[in-house]
Amino acid sequence: SAVISQKPSRDICQRGTSLTIQCQVDSQVTMMFWYRQQPGQSLTLIATANQGSEATYESGFVIDKFPISRPNLTFSTLTVSNMSPEDSSIYLCSVEQREITGELFFGEGSRLTVL
Amino acid sequence: GNSVTQMEGPVTLSEEAFLTINCTYTATGYPSLFWYVQYPGEGLQLLLKATKADDKGSNKGFEATYRKETTSFHLEKGSVQVSDSAVYFCALRGGSNYKLTFGKGTLLTVNP
Repeated sequence: SAVISQKPSRDICQRGTSLTIQCQVDSQVTMMFWYRQQPGQSLTLIATANQGSEATYESGFVIDKFPISRPNLTFSTLTVSNMSPEDSSIYLCSVEQREITGELFFGEGSRLTVL
Repeated sequence: GNSVTQMEGPVTLSEEAFLTINCTYTATGYPSLFWYVQYPGEGLQLLLKATKADDKGSNKGFEATYRKETTSFHLEKGSVQVSDSAVYFCALRGGSNYKLTFGKGTLLTVNP
């Protein structure tokens, strides 16, 4: 299984600032995903990070608010821009390994609190 | 589109009790089905999965059977432990959609 490291694990941020979350995988993976888990809620897919091209965003999420980079097959970043208290969530990176069909692995998440 | 409906919690049980968490789904085609678990303060971990009808996924004493006729994937464990206290998510992927769709999660608390 893939080992996924996310940084930061948690942070407290001020309203109006931006924060970049990093996701590092110990092997090359085809698909990387970014999810949001708001307090007491389920996981919602923000976007699919595509290597070498722009990310694909889900309905309700836009690139200006959540810019994503995917410079290679083992790394991705998600930026939460111009944060407000409503952005307080756990943000999770997820990957699919080529040889394991259908199964996604998750990082431990980045817990953001916006004051 | 795909959707997952999961038993609402919270669920509170005594140690060694029998556990069932219901999960039903809506999807086109033949999705793969998953149960993920999130222990307090940790990320999601895959608990078990099933990729076709009548498959039974099992792990750590938990079981779930892919029932296409009832579009269900209920999670069961015969004797729960305090260490099973966590949030459990039912999820599906596939059919007409590559995305992983989650249910709302069920908080399980097991008391000694």
